[in-house]
Amino acid sequence: EVQLVQSGSEVKKPGTTLRISCRISGYNFNDYYLHWVRQAPGKGLEWVGLIDPADAERKNAEKFRGRVTLTADTSTDTAYLGLRSLRSDDTAFYYCVRVGGSIGFDHWGQGTLVTVSS
Amino acid sequence: DIVLTQSPDSLAVSLGERATINCKSSQSVFYTSGNKNYLAWFQHKPGQPPKKLIYWASTRESGVPDRFSGSGSGTDFTLTIRNVQAEDVAVYYCHQYYSTPWTFGQGTKVEI
Repeated sequence: EVQLVQSGSEVKKPGTTLRISCRISGYNFNDYYLHWVRQAPGKGLEWVGLIDPADAERKNAEKFRGRVTLTADTSTDTAYLGLRSLRSDDTAFYYCVRVGGSIGFDHWGQGTLVTVSS
Repeated sequence: DIVLTQSPDSLAVSLGERATINCKSSQSVFYTSGNKNYLAWFQHKPGQPPKKLIYWASTRESGVPDRFSGSGSGTDFTLTIRNVQAEDVAVYYCHQYYSTPWTFGQGTKVEI
């Protein structure tokens, strides 16, 4: 069974750095891209970025340029999202999502709530 | 970036009636070599990850009730919910995975 299990909720202060994890099981980590999507309170879904665990190719949305770090540890089948210089508007649920080829997103993590507050 | 614009922003329907949500893309999301539209529809309820209903614009995900259907091609797409049930109350998003950055429509809230 394919599973994406994310790390737990985080409360962070503005200006600090966030790192959340997404550990997969049930398939070969190197065979599928992983994306990150977030949803802020009262807002819609927003694409953050992607990583190919096989070769660490990554892309991210322009609005996160310089602040986001996407990594993948093939020894533990875990992907990480790092976000620095946190702001209150980074408060959101963050999801890791697997891409099943041409069908797009096919498996979602349970979500990690990140609250940025002083 | 491909911009997806949904209409309406919200929709109130009676139980058993039909709900129709439109999604217009700023560029075609038709992938010619695969002969598919890279457009999906998601249902999102509070406290849960989004649930994919439709991919390739009109292919229903396994286990999704057949009252959900998708249509359209190129730049104009529609999600139709026939015989709306109470459990269909949610926000619905169209989503393109044709090119990065992958994008979502702004969402349509369906209420009873």
